[in-house]
Amino acid sequence: QQQVKQSPQSLIVQKGGISIINCAYENTAFDYFPWYQQFPGKGPALLIAIRPDVSEKKEGRFTISFNKSAKQFSLHIMDSQPGDSATYFCAARDNYGQNFVFGPGTRLSVLP
Amino acid sequence: DAGVIQSPRHEVTEMGQEVTLRCKPISGHNSLFWYRQTMMRGLELLIYFNNNVPIDDSGMPEDRFSAKMPNASFSTLKIQPSEPRDSAVYFCASSGQASYNEQFFGPGTRLTVL
Repeated sequence: QQQVKQSPQSLIVQKGGISIINCAYENTAFDYFPWYQQFPGKGPALLIAIRPDVSEKKEGRFTISFNKSAKQFSLHIMDSQPGDSATYFCAARDNYGQNFVFGPGTRLSVLP
Repeated sequence: DAGVIQSPRHEVTEMGQEVTLRCKPISGHNSLFWYRQTMMRGLELLIYFNNNVPIDDSGMPEDRFSAKMPNASFSTLKIQPSEPRDSAVYFCASSGQASYNEQFFGPGTRLTVL
């Protein structure tokens, strides 16, 4: 129940296209859903996050869509750029603790 | 501001040797997390501390692994004896009360056990 599922495992998108990564969870106690971005040789870094009281959050070209009833959330990257090529992790945290449960990651490649 | 500092950045050792990984969290942060990242298992939480006290060590794979946080500015993860299957990138992350929604990750230590 602590697991966060993520798909696809890898994604190749043309420059200017839309990248979509999906995540799903079971634990209804999760109350915070961040997305982390990791470049090769670096640690993950927070990209954008959402709470379940809103259905969408947008920051620049990055948007999180959240469906509480389906227990699913997704990351949309509009106008994808080669510089967006990285591994993306969704995560979830419950309101009892501080640790995050991370999805397995999606390796995104944006072709020039 | 300095971020989370980890050392060494790379470690190559032989099976059976003791390995010690070090982490300095961001000043003022009161929570510290140790993660292991592999291709097969992704990002796994090993242990986390709150105010220097271990809160959840259920992710520690076995007794060969131990972690300490003697003070607010330093933590170690020790593997003794090391085995080839311990080869991974180990990340330390920290968060503070003012920013508890975000974990700040260090650059990681790439461990290779031959």
